[in-house]
Amino acid sequence: KAGVTQTPRYLIKTRGQQVTLSCSPISGHRSVSWYQQTPGQGLQFLFEYFSETQRNKGNFPGRFSGRQFSNSRSEMNVSTLELGDSALYLCASSWSGGAVEQFFGPGTRLTVL
Amino acid sequence: KNEVEQSPQNLTAQEGEFITINCSYSVGISALHWLQQHPGGGIVSLFMLSSGKKKHGRLIATINIQEKHSSLHITASHPRDSAVYICAVRNNNDMRFGAGTRLTVKP
Repeated sequence: KAGVTQTPRYLIKTRGQQVTLSCSPISGHRSVSWYQQTPGQGLQFLFEYFSETQRNKGNFPGRFSGRQFSNSRSEMNVSTLELGDSALYLCASSWSGGAVEQFFGPGTRLTVL
Repeated sequence: KNEVEQSPQNLTAQEGEFITINCSYSVGISALHWLQQHPGGGIVSLFMLSSGKKKHGRLIATINIQEKHSSLHITASHPRDSAVYICAVRNNNDMRFGAGTRLTVKP
């Protein structure tokens, strides 16, 4: 079974631009969660989606948004990029969301110049 | 004070040593996860616990719900165990993470 895939793996943007990151979960998994990892703040929860519905959202500004499609693939979008948005963005999939094991993708490393 | 505290922050061990990493949390949880992150960023889920103890190979994880504390043990440590180990707690709404423990195992 293929693992969680994320595209692109690396991205360089400039301040003010917007970016869209993609996550394809393990086949059969219906939940996707997104996380941001920075050297200063560590790992932080962004959102959780299940069956195309956002179930939970972390404490991030409205510039961070996401969605999930009917095939469970998910995208997250960051608008008006700031230098502080430079981070490793990780997604994880699970069959149901909630308190179950999650399987992480390799991450997308975003650099904002 | 962080809701999820890990200790130690850094740990250096000799190959073969028994290793313990601790995690204390201050919020109500539905599950606790131990994650392993290697250089380059990839994260692997090692355990998910809601009570008691789990064992997988040389790794053992325990949780005490009343004391809000969990430990990850590595027996007969090996240089390939060198990684950052992260404790994460799940409640109804989100996941909270510890800062991680950087483990280096020397041959």
